[in-house]
Amino acid sequence: KAGVTQTPRYLIKTRGQQVTLSCSPISGHRSVSWYQQTPGQGLQFLFEYFSETQRNKGNFPGRFSGRQFSNSRSEMNVSTLELGDSALYLCASSRGGLPTNYGYTFGSGTRLTVV
Amino acid sequence: DQQVKQNSPSLSVQEGRISILNCDYTNSMFDYFLWYKKYPAEGPTFLISISSIKDKNEDGRFTVFLNKSAKHLSLHIVPSQPGDSAVYFCAAKGRETSGSRLTFGEGTQLTVNP
Repeated sequence: KAGVTQTPRYLIKTRGQQVTLSCSPISGHRSVSWYQQTPGQGLQFLFEYFSETQRNKGNFPGRFSGRQFSNSRSEMNVSTLELGDSALYLCASSRGGLPTNYGYTFGSGTRLTVV
Repeated sequence: DQQVKQNSPSLSVQEGRISILNCDYTNSMFDYFLWYKKYPAEGPTFLISISSIKDKNEDGRFTVFLNKSAKHLSLHIVPSQPGDSAVYFCAAKGRETSGSRLTFGEGTQLTVNP
């Protein structure tokens, strides 16, 4: 079956601009979670969407937002980009069921560089 | 506040020997722990997990040990192979958290030398 697809793979933006990243989950998966990975920081949780509703939110400023569509595809948006937003953005999809069944599958990520 | 910590940024072992990757956590509400492996330019892939009601889980060459009193878990890889060279992340889920939110450590770069 097709995996988690993230587009674009690479992106270069200028400070102050905004950016939209896309994530298409595995067919049948209703949960999409977004993470930011920076060197030495591991993966930091941004938010999770389940059935078009935000179910969890991490400690990121309001410039980071997301949404999920009826087909479970998700987008995240970052407005007023800062240099510190340069990172690998990963999304992960799962069925969103019981805690013991994660089946978390990650996409390959979008590498965002802010200049 | 780093609730999951991997204190060793890197580890180097010889092929065929044991690799031991460590992870410490501070949140006593964590009830499920996972290990992921990540190659460059790819997303993390799930390796093995353990529930807080267990102290050991084994899957082939991979074994995860959980010491709840010490709030410590470790991943053992035996025997190590060059293809195991990657960044390894431990992650945890809190029982108070609904959904699929995980808290990750910073990662440990494992290098297995032929």
